[in-house]
Amino acid sequence: DAKTTQPTSMDCAEGRAANLPCNHSTISGNEYVYWYRQIHSQGPQYIIHGLKNNETNEMASLIITEDRKSSTLILPHATLRDTAVYYCIVRGQIIQGAQKLVFGQGTRLTINP
Amino acid sequence: DTGVSQNPRHKITKRGQNVTFRCDPISEHNRLYWYRQTLGQGPEFLTYFQNEAQLEKSRLLSDRFSAERPKGSFSTLEIQRTEQGDSAMYLCASSLNFGSETQYFGPGTRLLVL
Repeated sequence: DAKTTQPTSMDCAEGRAANLPCNHSTISGNEYVYWYRQIHSQGPQYIIHGLKNNETNEMASLIITEDRKSSTLILPHATLRDTAVYYCIVRGQIIQGAQKLVFGQGTRLTINP
Repeated sequence: DTGVSQNPRHKITKRGQNVTFRCDPISEHNRLYWYRQTLGQGPEFLTYFQNEAQLEKSRLLSDRFSAERPKGSFSTLEIQRTEQGDSAMYLCASSLNFGSETQYFGPGTRLLVL
């Protein structure tokens, strides 16, 4: 699986959009981009994933560049409860067996009142 | 709540004791994963089951660790002769063998070995 690079930490004001970048320059054509977050002392929470197209769900939007070498997770109206560590993970398609998730250090996002 | 559940949520034990954790996956999810997370680090893969078959084990899973999923539903992770280095959060995730196979995590079991 391709390696990802994320900023160590970010701050965002409550009510503003939080934009979390992720670089995955070695991603291959059949690898998905996944985002999880982990609030202190809880298990990782799935947010969103995408392959080529931009995706949106009730939690966030995922913007993937045309060359797929980077992506941005957007939390449109950040709240204090969005303070967490956000992990960007690249994972291959399931062809044979299952693919474990390889977590990096993630981005520690702090939402300020 | 139909999410992944783990028990106990917290466990304190003395070095040398055996401990067992349980994971109940989301109903009908046939794939189950165990991860370990130490302080300040992201989760690390330990092992994976498809139904009752254990198909992959990480080199992190020493001989003191054993995992089972006897009926393809819940799973147990046992650590024998615990060491202080085993102190960590043990996370379970499950997925369905269909589509993108998104993994959903449980709340974890936090182990402290004294």
